[in-house]
Amino acid sequence: ELKVEQNPLFLSMQEGKNYTIYCNYSTTSDRLYWYRQDPGKSLESLFVLLSNGAVKQEGRLMASLDTKARLSTLHITAAVHDLSATYFCAVDISMDSNYQLIWGAGTKLIIKP
Amino acid sequence: EAQVTQNPRYLITVTGKKLTVTCSQNMNHEYMSWYRQDPGLGLRQIYYSMNVEVTDKGDVPEGYKVSRKEKRNFPLILESPSPNQTSLYFCASMVASGASYEQYFGPGTRLTVT
Repeated sequence: ELKVEQNPLFLSMQEGKNYTIYCNYSTTSDRLYWYRQDPGKSLESLFVLLSNGAVKQEGRLMASLDTKARLSTLHITAAVHDLSATYFCAVDISMDSNYQLIWGAGTKLIIKP
Repeated sequence: EAQVTQNPRYLITVTGKKLTVTCSQNMNHEYMSWYRQDPGLGLRQIYYSMNVEVTDKGDVPEGYKVSRKEKRNFPLILESPSPNQTSLYFCASMVASGASYEQYFGPGTRLTVT
């Protein structure tokens, strides 16, 4: 069975702290996406990781991909309240013209001032 | 402005009453997709379309139909809704970007079936 597991599913942290969200997946893929969702809102693309060892950074967020370990991480540096949201990873298992993403359950992040 | 629109945004209906959720995009994307989002389950793909008149099932297609008669529109049809289809629905359009896809989501439709 294809699985994408995120942990933790819920994280409450203080501003200024660092933390990492993990995304493990059970199938072969070298394409992985991270999205952000604010409460009551739609999804916003954060990062696209396309190969083993890929690292992308935007502000206080950094994402990486290890395809051999089937693991992606989303690292938050010196968290600020504005980063409070739910974060999803999605593994791309598309083949030929068959487009398919398998999504993690999401990590709800609350950052307290 | 590039966007994906969905209507309605909120809908409460009763079991068995046919409904349609519309989705439209103005980016001339070939790929479009429907997802449902349920707590603790992330997003699950219902149907996707690679172009006009070309659609295929995703992970959870039972109880849903779609059509793609024009490139910009991709409606989701529930012929006989049931309470287990109560969910938050997202439409997305996508464009191939190198080896990956760039995906744009609509604002979501919250459906309650009683």
